[in-house]
Amino acid sequence: NAGVTQTPKFQVLKTGQSMTLQCAQDMNHEYMSWYRQDPGMGLRLIHYSVGAGITDQGEVPNGYNVSRSTTEDFPLRLLSAAPSQTSVYFCASSDRGESYEQYFGPGTRLTVT
Amino acid sequence: GIQVEQSPPDLILQEGANSTLRCNFSDSVNNLQWFHQNPWGQLINLFYIPSGTKQNGRLSATTVATERYSLLYISSSQTTDSGVYFCAVDRWFNDMRFGAGTRLTVKP
Repeated sequence: NAGVTQTPKFQVLKTGQSMTLQCAQDMNHEYMSWYRQDPGMGLRLIHYSVGAGITDQGEVPNGYNVSRSTTEDFPLRLLSAAPSQTSVYFCASSDRGESYEQYFGPGTRLTVT
Repeated sequence: GIQVEQSPPDLILQEGANSTLRCNFSDSVNNLQWFHQNPWGQLINLFYIPSGTKQNGRLSATTVATERYSLLYISSSQTTDSGVYFCAVDRWFNDMRFGAGTRLTVKP
């Protein structure tokens, strides 16, 4: 089991550029989510999905899009990057059965200049 | 959304000491988890504990749901316990809210 994988690990963008952060899990988890972590703060939920074809907004969704075409993949798209989106991004997944424990990917450190 | 407060914000211990971290939340929850973020940034799930008590080695956690708090106990701390400990809560298993964390430093 690779668990939750994220690519890339690091990325630098210029203001206005777009990009997609990739997230994949091999645990057949129904629930997947994206968080951002800013310095000295806890994680804030951007978007989540409870299954293929179903997505919803979290606490801070503006400037981000998601889609969930398969159980395994949950990409996060930045349409027009802004300096305020400089952050570390974490993808997570969890089962929705007996245990709701969340498993996190290693993170993507994004800098927007 | 549910508010989550963690205390203390920072904690410095000598190796071998015990510690208690607290998490208060503002509304009833069905989902409460504790995470450890190591110095390299990796987040590890420690406990899923919406109520009751669990133990895993030197770590244990207790959640008193009716009083809206949870405690994480670390006994005989080791330098590898250093990092940030987060509490996260959720009512409907889809919108987890994290506290700001407790930064633990264990000195040899």
